[in-house]
Amino acid sequence: LAKTTQPISMDSYEGQEVNITCSHNNIATNDYITWYQQFPSQGPRFIIQGYKTKVTNEVASLFIPADRKSSTLSLPRVSLSDTAVYYCLVGDRDFGNEKLTFGTGTRLTIIP
Amino acid sequence: GAGVSQSPSNKVTEKGKDVELRCDPISGHTALYWYRQSLGQGLEFLIYFQGNSAPDKSGLPSDRFSAERTGGSVSTLTIQRTQQEDSAVYLCACGGRSNTEAFFGQGTRLTVV
Repeated sequence: LAKTTQPISMDSYEGQEVNITCSHNNIATNDYITWYQQFPSQGPRFIIQGYKTKVTNEVASLFIPADRKSSTLSLPRVSLSDTAVYYCLVGDRDFGNEKLTFGTGTRLTIIP
Repeated sequence: GAGVSQSPSNKVTEKGKDVELRCDPISGHTALYWYRQSLGQGLEFLIYFQGNSAPDKSGLPSDRFSAERTGGSVSTLTIQRTQQEDSAVYLCACGGRSNTEAFFGQGTRLTVV
């Protein structure tokens, strides 16, 4: 399984765009990149998944360079409610086909 | 059900007692994972099931921990002779073969006193 490295914490002001980068130098050809968000006292929830280039949904964008050794989760115009821990995972596209390992995540704090 | 249900939501137990934590996944979801999360920490993988089989038990911390799944549905995580270091939130997640995302329950907060 490819190991991932993320910053432990980040702070940002409301209204800013936040970019969280994850390194995964040993990503395999078949691996996808998935991001989860976890609020206090809740289980993580899926945000976005991608394989290459750019993926966008109603919550976030995911940028993946051609070498796929890193990825960047972009949150546009953050608000206080975006304060959470964000996890980057690398592995099979479909959940349930292998051991799924979460790293320590990035604790994002939004400042009023 | 509409989502992943875990019970109890909170459990306080005395050191040395056995506890059972239950996870009721979304109907039809074949994959089920157990994680442990200590205060302020990331998620620690414990075990996962595909159907009733457990292909990977490598995360179970000791032989005091065991898990089973019957009928491809409900799973039970059992901790025997609990210790204070077992105190944590135990999270269950499920997904189907064609699901890209994992659906998590709210967790069981276990406190060993």
